[in-house]
Amino acid sequence: EPEVTQTPSHQVTQMGQEVILRCVPISNHLYFYWYRQILGQKVEFLVSFYNNEISEKSEIFDDQFSVERPDGSNFTLKIRSTKLEDSAMYFCASSEGGNNEQFFGPGTRLTVL
Amino acid sequence: GDSVTQMEGPVTLSEEAFLTINCTYTATGYPSLFWYVQYPGEGLQLLLKATKADDKGSNKGFEATYRKETTSFHLEKGSVQVSDSAVYFCALRPWTGALNFGKGTSLLVTP
Repeated sequence: EPEVTQTPSHQVTQMGQEVILRCVPISNHLYFYWYRQILGQKVEFLVSFYNNEISEKSEIFDDQFSVERPDGSNFTLKIRSTKLEDSAMYFCASSEGGNNEQFFGPGTRLTVL
Repeated sequence: GDSVTQMEGPVTLSEEAFLTINCTYTATGYPSLFWYVQYPGEGLQLLLKATKADDKGSNKGFEATYRKETTSFHLEKGSVQVSDSAVYFCALRPWTGALNFGKGTSLLVTP
């Protein structure tokens, strides 16, 4: 069964460093999403991406964040200068259409020291 | 804005007990409602959904009914198993776009 994959599973970085989190969505899906979950808190929407551009973003998704689909298979989230409060589990998701089921990857745990 | 509130966990039940996890929502319009489950070490999986008032979503013995009058979408299962131990997330979504999640409820089922 096709699934969303994410790498790495765990990323440790120093405050101020740039990180790139990678996702491979399901191959025929057209909509891509990033969510995050700070430990003990709810899963929060960051951004959605369709047709090579951001379709929706939350207040969390400020200038420190960017997303890209560098090729036909990967979808990346970049954090330019990490802060301690960026420590969280980051989930990628994809869907065929905007109102179809979103399939989630297993997450990348980001730890900022 | 839209929001989802679900009961705090953890919930601990014995095998074969009845499960209810409460979920209420605040939303403009007519959102779709979802329950997602996260097993240890895995991503979020869609458990069930309902797209309009009075719809009942069901899967793997779990059920939830979209109640517009009480703005609720409570998750129920008649007889839980140890394998149901997981974190359960209630979520809503407008017609298209982002999911808005509750905080999650951890369920532990003991033999």
